[in-house]
Amino acid sequence: EIVMTQSPATLSVSPGERVTLSCGASQSVSSNLAWYQQTPGQAPRLLIYDASTRATGVPARFGGSGSGTEFTLTISSLQSEDFAVYYCQQYSSWPSFGPGTKVDIK
Amino acid sequence: EVQLLESGGGLVQPGGSLRLSCAASGFTFNNYAMSWVRQAPGKGLECVSGISGSGRNTYYADSLKGRFTISRDNSKNTLYLQMKSLRAEDTAVYYCARYLGATTVVDYWGQGTLVTVSS
Repeated sequence: EIVMTQSPATLSVSPGERVTLSCGASQSVSSNLAWYQQTPGQAPRLLIYDASTRATGVPARFGGSGSGTEFTLTISSLQSEDFAVYYCQQYSSWPSFGPGTKVDIK
Repeated sequence: EVQLLESGGGLVQPGGSLRLSCAASGFTFNNYAMSWVRQAPGKGLECVSGISGSGRNTYYADSLKGRFTISRDNSKNTLYLQMKSLRAEDTAVYYCARYLGATTVVDYWGQGTLVTVSS
């Protein structure tokens, strides 16, 4: 089983700031990495797949990078609707998710 | 518009059974592999089970130890999850999910149905 980690657990940010979230895998997943956003009471929403490809309708301020075991999600300028929990997921083998990073208002 | 509508959740006693359903619309159902993903209260996401578009191939998380069965009826555009020998740790919101192409990336999610296992 591939174990995913995410850091930090919580990030307090002001609107307009640049945000960088990290995700790690216990072994290489190549570029088989996705990012999801979940707001309270809602289902997750796909943001990024194949490590860096934005899903349909996702704003350009969201960007993904990395390969192998280290990945990053960057939000270039945080908007009010971006305060949420972000999960990474590997799909190199049986899919597994990271524990999430909560982005809240500073 | 893609829609996934789950039903069948509720309160069940430990050791009991429950069947979840997911009615799909807005896309050609049998062209897509599907999945159930669960989220325990206040916790993260866990992929429970997946099934190919034809229904011939099924996949399960090792932790389930044969207690859950995924199936689909492509004539009814419906996905199912039969759960038995339920435990307190199965308490979660269960999401119906559509896979993106040949991957296990979820591109569409239902709103979820809550399963509570308690006496």
